[in-house]
Amino acid sequence: EVQLVESGGTLVQPGRSLRLSCTASGFTFGDYTIHWVRQPPGKGLEWVGFIRPKAYDETIEYGASVKGRFAISRDDSKSIAYLQMNSLRSEDTAVYYCCRGHSGLGAWGPGTLVTVSS
Amino acid sequence: QSALTQPASVSGSPGQSITISCTGTSSDVGGYNFVSWYQQQPGKAPKLMIYEVNKRPSGVSNRFSGSKSGNTASLTVSGLQGEDEANYYCSSYTSSNSLLFGGGTKLTVL
Repeated sequence: EVQLVESGGTLVQPGRSLRLSCTASGFTFGDYTIHWVRQPPGKGLEWVGFIRPKAYDETIEYGASVKGRFAISRDDSKSIAYLQMNSLRSEDTAVYYCCRGHSGLGAWGPGTLVTVSS
Repeated sequence: QSALTQPASVSGSPGQSITISCTGTSSDVGGYNFVSWYQQQPGKAPKLMIYEVNKRPSGVSNRFSGSKSGNTASLTVSGLQGEDEANYYCSSYTSSNSLLFGGGTKLTVL
């Protein structure tokens, strides 16, 4: 069974950093693009970014609102993707999902809540 | 980039059909056949319902169908059932190598 599980979400002060993890199982992790998508409380979905597989040079793209502050990486040996979030702002408060990309985002984790507040 | 445009809400009675539109530009919806639709129930992660404009993942009911004309994609749900009540989001690949979501549509089954 394909599974993705996010972890690392917590309450953090503005300006601080936080790293989220996405642990995958049930498929060959290294073959897939991994996306991060977020959803502020009561609002819609916002794409954060993705990292392609090694076969595509692990190229990375980011959404405009996080470019330069967030960084995505992956460790295929552990089947884990990471989202490093720096210079956090109140508007980054959201549930963060990791997703397996291939012909749409076909598998999602349950999400992890990040709250940015003093 | 602005979000793709979806109606805030649609409604229909059980057994009826509804259509949700998703309007973008030639740089996203109109330029690529990489439009997807997601269903999100309250408190749950989104679920892929349609990919590549009109393809259904295994296990998704054939009451769900997708189409595209120009810069507008559409999701049609036929034979409405109470379990279809949810928020629906479209997404599209863009010319900037990014993914863009719609603002979401709340489907109410009357």
